[in-house]
Amino acid sequence: ETGVTQTPRHLVMGMTNKKSLKCEQHLGHNAMYWYKQSAKKPLELMFVYNFKEQTENNSVPSRFSPECPNSSHLFLHLHTLQPEDSALYLCASSQDFRNTIYFGEGSWLTVV
Amino acid sequence: EDQVTQSPEALRLQEGESSSLNCSYTVSGLRGLFWYRQDPGKGPEFLFTLYSAGEEKEKERLKATLTKKESFLHITAPKPEDSATYLCAVQAGTGANNLFFGTGTRLTVIP
Repeated sequence: ETGVTQTPRHLVMGMTNKKSLKCEQHLGHNAMYWYKQSAKKPLELMFVYNFKEQTENNSVPSRFSPECPNSSHLFLHLHTLQPEDSALYLCASSQDFRNTIYFGEGSWLTVV
Repeated sequence: EDQVTQSPEALRLQEGESSSLNCSYTVSGLRGLFWYRQDPGKGPEFLFTLYSAGEEKEKERLKATLTKKESFLHITAPKPEDSATYLCAVQAGTGANNLFFGTGTRLTVIP
């Protein structure tokens, strides 16, 4: 139990579907992150929120749309994805940008 | 350009055979170096943070050390349950996008 919970753990979606990934942290942290992990590549930072305000959008295609209603919850809305978007999507949180980042278990996404 | 390189890419050890994993980095303004363990299909699990050259941290069979250019994760008398991918990340700067990850070392410990 890491204190960061992600749902669903596995998702298969067609290229025309719309789905969402959900993340909740129980650590009282102020910053939340979405990362993408693909085979043999370093973790790629996608989005960062601090006190529910977006502070970073790392040139992510618009088919990925984040939402952060409060400091404990983070969503990643997905629509018209491509097969190359298949990956492990990791949510993480930290007290602030200077402190350790704690990850959730990830959501495995397969786009068919 | 900020960069983090981990070696070897994969390592197979017999149970009880000690070894070390390497994380070398070129960043300006190092603020911290993090080690994570990642099991297949799961998210990275935090192990250690090192802040300055000469610092060492230990946890069970793992010991992390830091110099000005690299960090080592020493594994003493490993067991099969130590099999995992070990990720290194370097924090540079104070902004939101300040964490740079390596590609990991996949460790397999054979009984």
